[in-house]
Amino acid sequence: GDSVTQMEGPVTLSEEAFLTINCTYTATGYPSLFWYVQYPGEGLQLLLKATKADDKGSNKGFEATYRKETTSFHLEKGSVQVSDSAVYFCALSFRLRKNTPLVFGKGTRLSVIA
Amino acid sequence: GAVVSQHPSWVICKSGTSVKIECRSLDFQATTMFWYRQFPKQSLMLMATSNEGSKATYEQGVEKDKFLINHASLTLSTLTVTSAHPEDSSFYICSAFGGSPYNEQFFGPGTRLTVL
Repeated sequence: GDSVTQMEGPVTLSEEAFLTINCTYTATGYPSLFWYVQYPGEGLQLLLKATKADDKGSNKGFEATYRKETTSFHLEKGSVQVSDSAVYFCALSFRLRKNTPLVFGKGTRLSVIA
Repeated sequence: GAVVSQHPSWVICKSGTSVKIECRSLDFQATTMFWYRQFPKQSLMLMATSNEGSKATYEQGVEKDKFLINHASLTLSTLTVTSAHPEDSSFYICSAFGGSPYNEQFFGPGTRLTVL
């Protein structure tokens, strides 16, 4: 079945360090890809998305590029801040329609220290 | 963006009792809501799709008689864990699809259930 694999955490970085969280997927067809973020005590929030190959999603300094050839959607940020500490989930969906659920990776906890 | 709330945020109950969890879309209407379950250090697993005014669609392996879902209005879906047992202890998260202008899913903050 369809699945998402992301790197195990936790990831601990110093402020201003470069961040990469790897995400690969297995799916029949070409899904839409997402990164969600969950801050402590809050619900999941959509961070960025890409709906087709070579699309780049970006938001709040984070970027991810949909790579069909490597079935990947790695999350990157050039300079992390303490406020970026959260759990990050990679996910896929086959349609941006209301009745389509998401398939999630296990999540990666990021801790940024000053 | 739009807001989805869940109540309660955490609950502790005795084995054999039933627990109801509410999921509300606060500023938009949602004809479809999803219920997920998350075990420690694991993915969110889809349990069921809740459709307003009709029966929920359950994923394979999810007991519909144990996890009762009711979507009585366009802003409220409830999940009732009946005759709860310790193995039902988990983190339950709901989401709701917000149509135009949002066109994305919004997630509740989750409910931590502990069954003693």
